[in-house]
Amino acid sequence: KAGVTQTPRYLIKTRGQQVTLSCSPISGHRSVSWYQQTPGQGLQFLFEYFSETQRNKGNFPGRFSGRQFSNSRSEMNVSTLELGDSALYLCASSQGQTNTEAFFGQGTRLTVV
Amino acid sequence: GDSVTQMEGPVTLSEEAFLTINCTYTATGYPSLFWYVQYPGEGLQLLLKATKADDKGSNKGFEATYRKETTSFHLEKGSVQVSDSAVYFCALSDSEGNNRLAFGKGNQVVVIP
Repeated sequence: KAGVTQTPRYLIKTRGQQVTLSCSPISGHRSVSWYQQTPGQGLQFLFEYFSETQRNKGNFPGRFSGRQFSNSRSEMNVSTLELGDSALYLCASSQGQTNTEAFFGQGTRLTVV
Repeated sequence: GDSVTQMEGPVTLSEEAFLTINCTYTATGYPSLFWYVQYPGEGLQLLLKATKADDKGSNKGFEATYRKETTSFHLEKGSVQVSDSAVYFCALSDSEGNNRLAFGKGNQVVVIP
């Protein structure tokens, strides 16, 4: 069974630009969550999608958004990039609706210059 | 909100030494508890989990017991190897019945031959 796939693995963008990151969950998994990992703040929850609906959102500005498609693949978008958005963005997929094991992708390393 | 606290600072120890990483949590309900491990350049891998009080999770020689009375989930391994060098994160599932995870800051473990 293929794992969670995130693309691209690395990305360099300029301040003010926008970026879209992609996540393909494990086949059969309907929940996708996104996390931001930085040395200073650690791992912070961005949002979770289940069956194309956003169920939860973390404490991030509106520049951070996401969506989930009918095949459970998910994208997150960050608009008007700031230097502080440089981070490792991790996607996790889960099979069930509540408290189920999360499987993580390798992440997308975003650098904003 | 729900939160996880891990002991501060990296942990450096010799091969075959005993490892303990402390983890305490604050939660309003009855969360599930997890330990994740992150190797350099990789995403997070689930190491072990416990879903209710007094449960013991174990995997690859690592163990942790869900202690509700002390709100703790300390990670232990009796004899570490160089290959155990990684960052270890304690996490809890959201008490509101979804897949959101709250993580501790993580501990870098370095095992010296």
